[in-house]
Amino acid sequence: EAGVTQSPTHLIKTRGQQATLRCSPISGHTSVYWYQQALGLGLQFLLWYDEGEERNRGNFPPRFSGRQFPNYSSELNVNALELEDSALYLCASSSGTSGSGGTDTQYFGPGTRLTVL
Amino acid sequence: QKEVEQDPGPLSVPEGAIVSLNCTYSNSAFQYFMWYRQYSRKGPELLMYTYSSGNKEDGRFTAQVDKSSKYISLFIRDSQPSDSATYLCAMSSNAGGTSYGKLTFGQGTILTVHP
Repeated sequence: EAGVTQSPTHLIKTRGQQATLRCSPISGHTSVYWYQQALGLGLQFLLWYDEGEERNRGNFPPRFSGRQFPNYSSELNVNALELEDSALYLCASSSGTSGSGGTDTQYFGPGTRLTVL
Repeated sequence: QKEVEQDPGPLSVPEGAIVSLNCTYSNSAFQYFMWYRQYSRKGPELLMYTYSSGNKEDGRFTAQVDKSSKYISLFIRDSQPSDSATYLCAMSSNAGGTSYGKLTFGQGTILTVHP
């Protein structure tokens, strides 16, 4: 069974541009999570989508946004890129079986490394 | 103060050693505890998942949770060079609100097992 896939593997942008990152969850999973792993800051929660709806977002500015498509894949958009947005962006998926608790096991993809010049 | 504290190491041990990795936390609402392993330039891989206090064993790995002390541990027995990676603890609660669906991670401990 295929795991979580992310594209592209690497992305290089300049300050002020927009970046779009994509994620395909494990087959049968309905929840998708996005995390940022910046050097020295560890993994920080960005967004959670379930059944096409945004369920929660972390402490990030509104220029970080995303969506989930009917096939449960997801897109993360980062507008007006800043140098400090350079990081590994990780997507995770879960089965969404825990109901409102949101405590399902999360399985991670390999990440997209975003470099902002 | 961070919600989850983890000694970043680095930790270097000889092959065959017992490795102990630890995290402390401040949020008493955390009920679900995980350990992930992350190889260089890869995504985190789930190793252990435990609920509330107690021990869980899986092969060479043992996870312990002590909620009264807000302390979790991962033990690796008979460590191998292939265990060399960054180990991340993660926690979550079902308290809802801003905790909804969110894993809170420690900084990660870099482990090197040398032959």
